[in-house]
Amino acid sequence: GESVGLHLPTLSVQEGDNSIINCAYSNSASDYFIWYKQESGKGPQFIIDIRSNMDKRQGQRVTVLLNKTVKHLSLQIAATQPGDSAVYFCAERDNNDMRFGAGTRLTVKP
Amino acid sequence: AAGVIQSPRHLIKEKRETATLKCYPIPRHDTVYWYQQGPGQDPQFLISFYEKMQSDKGSIPDRFSAQQFSDYHSELNMSSLELGDSALYFCASSLTSPPTGELFFGEGSRLTVL
Repeated sequence: GESVGLHLPTLSVQEGDNSIINCAYSNSASDYFIWYKQESGKGPQFIIDIRSNMDKRQGQRVTVLLNKTVKHLSLQIAATQPGDSAVYFCAERDNNDMRFGAGTRLTVKP
Repeated sequence: AAGVIQSPRHLIKEKRETATLKCYPIPRHDTVYWYQQGPGQDPQFLISFYEKMQSDKGSIPDRFSAQQFSDYHSELNMSSLELGDSALYFCASSLTSPPTGELFFGEGSRLTVL
């Protein structure tokens, strides 16, 4: 399953499928990006980060892709599990803080 | 490992009252950030502090103020509360400013204004 831009706030996938969550960032000068996962009523949790001198970074079951040309960031989750159900936010470094984009709610169907 | 501690976790206030939220960063973290998250919204950056000085300012209303103390804990003071101030308020800390690594978030303080 794949989310499109910032205007599709929900993504529903079948357990075991791969998920792709997209994010468009605003500042072409941003040099550091983070994907956060937020479960209901909890604070955002770090998933993976990437610096602007890279276009891809892999973690455990997650991959972040950065396309600086179109200011686009994506998070790929392999073999999505029920525990992955949450809201996912991308964040970009803006001066001395991190600014969040609109989140995508990922729902994993058993 | 110690995490970011926020208090209180829940707070209920009436309109026009004042509220104070507290944040205790991870030990040795010198930078604190405050975010406001309305229902179904992304976290909005309010303000940040580095070494007890204001570092950056976002969409913080004039009715709100914040400071960082000598022990690096921070307090967010909100006056003349409005219904629209009802939200989750997150504090985060990092080792450096500007952040060169992740921000560590607390569990949040839920403010309800009646």
